[in-house]
Amino acid sequence: AQSVAQPEDQVNVAEGNPLTVKCTYSVSGNPYLFWYVQYPNRGLQFLLKYITGDNLVKGSYGFEAEFNKSQTSFHLKKPSALVSDSALYFCAVRDDNDMRFGAGTRLTVKP
Amino acid sequence: GAVVSQHPSRVICKSGTSVKIECRSLDFQATTMFWYRQFPKQSLMLMATSNEGSKATYEQGVEKDKFLINHASLTLSTLTVTSAHPEDSSFYICSATPGWKNYGYTFGSGTRLTVV
Repeated sequence: AQSVAQPEDQVNVAEGNPLTVKCTYSVSGNPYLFWYVQYPNRGLQFLLKYITGDNLVKGSYGFEAEFNKSQTSFHLKKPSALVSDSALYFCAVRDDNDMRFGAGTRLTVKP
Repeated sequence: GAVVSQHPSRVICKSGTSVKIECRSLDFQATTMFWYRQFPKQSLMLMATSNEGSKATYEQGVEKDKFLINHASLTLSTLTVTSAHPEDSSFYICSATPGWKNYGYTFGSGTRLTVV
């Protein structure tokens, strides 16, 4: 069965610094990987996805993620964090039947 | 494209009453919709999966008689919290997918339910 893991509950970075939110996955077959962001009292918003092709995927709000097959990882990155990036981030993996979410990582960007 | 509308965004109800939350896919047909519950500072908990025209599939531990799900059309699913109690207060989120694996899910904006 597929699954994703987000090893960090909380990530703190200073504004302007690069950020990384980690995600590892386990699937049988080709992975369909997604990142979502959730702001307080809101639903989840799609950031980016990896289906096939280039390992570096660019998404919304300047975020990107790198698919690494050998390490089964799909870490979310941004070169320069903004205070407004503070939110809850979910990694997810999809198969034919459903989507599995990680536990979420709370990102806090401090001025 | 791929917009999911969920409403109400906030609702306050009295204990013992029922509350209905609607989830609509606005520009695509959603063969499958999902209902999640989210507690403060916690991840999403899948409550049930609803398929158009058939009974919902509930996750273990979710009371199907308390959380009634109806997916009567390809664009509408409803979650009714029956005989609500304060412990049902939570943030409920729906999501929908047309069924294609590379499409991902689209989420509604969530409903904050407060039972007093």
